Amino acid sequence: GAGVSQSPSNKVTEKGKDVELRCDPISGHTALYWYRQSLGQGLEFLIYFQGNSAPDKSGLPSDRFSAERTGGSVSTLTIQRTQQEDSAVYLCASSFADREVGGYTFGSGTRLTVV
Amino acid sequence: QKEVEQDPGPLSVPEGAIVSLNCTYSNSAFQYFMWYRQYSRKGPELLMYTYSSGNKEDGRFTAQVDKSSKYISLFIRDSQPSDSATYLCAMSNTGANSKLTFGKGITLSVRP
Repeated sequence: GAGVSQSPSNKVTEKGKDVELRCDPISGHTALYWYRQSLGQGLEFLIYFQGNSAPDKSGLPSDRFSAERTGGSVSTLTIQRTQQEDSAVYLCASSFADREVGGYTFGSGTRLTVV
Repeated sequence: QKEVEQDPGPLSVPEGAIVSLNCTYSNSAFQYFMWYRQYSRKGPELLMYTYSSGNKEDGRFTAQVDKSSKYISLFIRDSQPSDSATYLCAMSNTGANSKLTFGKGITLSVRP
């Protein structure tokens, strides 16, 4: 597609339930990133996939968070046993691998509300 | 101290004003510096990218990096109401297309 597609755009879930957030990157982009944007907190790195390399999971806040990327394309971020502090906008981005080519393309995000 | 500090604002200016947005950082290994613009309920979009120190100009936008002071700036000339958005600085030590550390963002409003 023309851009990074994320679904759903909004998700309201009850505390304790599991949620899955989907990201469809730009075709040809080998790198895929997940960030979380909380009110007043800026963007917080979660996880980074680059080609066939092992993902950089250093930003995942707890073992309730996991992500996978199938076939080098679509990625799913899963949050188990959601807590109220998980409420945020979850942003996915993709890019080419060349580190000299500046910048990601972000999707519009999934706004998660845990009630 | 956070690795990247950005005045949270908000900032309101009249149309046509020159706007100066700034970030400071503590990690001297940062080499790649970016400014992203984010409109309400949208993802951030890359506005400016600079490698190492120096200035870069693109139309009404100028990005400056001073690595000796660990300070980066974005200047917007002849500001327009369409520039009203949140501006986030971002930086990395491993590349523009790798893990980024973002500032919290500053919300700019340009009054007609």
